[in-house]
Amino acid sequence: DVKVTQSSRYLVKRTGEKVFLECVQDMDHENMFWYRQDPGLGLRLIYFSYDVKMKEKGDIPEGYSVSREKKERFSLILESASTNQTSMYLCASRRQGAGYEQYFGPGTRLTVT
Amino acid sequence: SQQGEEDPQALSIQEGENATMNCSYKTSINNLQWYRQNSGRGLVHLILIRSNEREKHSGRLRVTLDTSKKSSSLLITASRAADTASYFCATCDTGGFKTIFGAGTRLFVKA
Repeated sequence: DVKVTQSSRYLVKRTGEKVFLECVQDMDHENMFWYRQDPGLGLRLIYFSYDVKMKEKGDIPEGYSVSREKKERFSLILESASTNQTSMYLCASRRQGAGYEQYFGPGTRLTVT
Repeated sequence: SQQGEEDPQALSIQEGENATMNCSYKTSINNLQWYRQNSGRGLVHLILIRSNEREKHSGRLRVTLDTSKKSSSLLITASRAADTASYFCATCDTGGFKTIFGAGTRLFVKA
């Protein structure tokens, strides 16, 4: 079974802190994604990565950056956390190609106070 | 921008009844996928239907796709309390990379 793990289930940070969210997948997938999920808005794509060291902006990249130094790991970085970044963050991975489904991690519920 | 939009936003049924959820989208797609999310958890892939397919089955799930109307439906037959979850449709564009999710339908199955 594909497994996608995220470093924390719940996280509370203060405004202005630098926040790292880690995602690891064990199926050698090329593509990895970071989404945020807010009530009534569904999932919105923050960043994605085609492969190691490659990254592309999604629909809402402002205030975020990412790092993919190894194929299995995709990190989301909040450079200076703000209260409007309080959300559920979901990581997903997928085999390269359009015809494949995404596998999701359990999510990290981040609260910025 | 949201591509898939689910209808209804919420649905409450009795155990044993069928549940139908609809999804509409705006642009050409490579495929459409349905996912399920239990409260506070990640999404789980249910079924993928390609743009050249009209219907697909998986266990108690039946998905239809009408590309002329840019719409899809997910039918869950003989629902169970354990089917209580949110269901999302997601479209993958013809470029083959970006997958866009709708806001989801919340299904509540009463025992």
